[in-house]
Amino acid sequence: DGGITQSPKYLFRKEGQNVTLSCEQNLNHDAMYWYRQDPGQGLRLIYYSQIVNDFQKGDIAEGYSVSREKKESFPLTVTSAQKNPTAFYLCASSIGAGTGELFFGEGSRLTVL
Amino acid sequence: GQQLNQSPQSMFIQEGEDVSMNCTSSSIFNTWLWYKQEPGEGPVLLIALYKAGELTSNGRLTAQFGITRKDSFLNISASIPSDVGIYFCAGSTSGTYKYIFGTGTRLKVLA
Repeated sequence: DGGITQSPKYLFRKEGQNVTLSCEQNLNHDAMYWYRQDPGQGLRLIYYSQIVNDFQKGDIAEGYSVSREKKESFPLTVTSAQKNPTAFYLCASSIGAGTGELFFGEGSRLTVL
Repeated sequence: GQQLNQSPQSMFIQEGEDVSMNCTSSSIFNTWLWYKQEPGEGPVLLIALYKAGELTSNGRLTAQFGITRKDSFLNISASIPSDVGIYFCAGSTSGTYKYIFGTGTRLKVLA
């Protein structure tokens, strides 16, 4: 089935550790996105990528990093510089940046202990 | 970041009732999307709209792209308990990279 796969579903991290969230899509989409969702705040854009080997900061990129070495993969690293990393993270993709249907993965919940 | 105005914020309805919600924007969009999200899960795309005035259905769900291109509406007919969740809209414009999201409508259905 075509779709977006995020892993892990749940992740626990100690303060000071970096963690990487995986996102893989088999929809052949050029554009991929990472959003953060906090209770009562809606979706906030962390990073987006319009094409392989290119990515841009979103509204809340500080403390996060990404790479786009393959069309189907867009991993997100939450670094120790992120002050409040506990959140629900969503990966999404669309055929082009801001174009057409936007599909989401199932999400990854990160908890910092 | 920018958010779309979505109303109502929450609704408590009886099973079998119809539901209406809407999103408004200060900007013109050429794509409107409607999603449902359940707790701990990713949003699921329900309906996509691409043309002003377009009316599209997906089962008991019907959505419309407003004529002004600044608003969109979602209706759910004959609600059932599994309709419970948060519904939100999203809009985008060609040439930008962004999707702008609504604030969400929390729906609860009383059996």
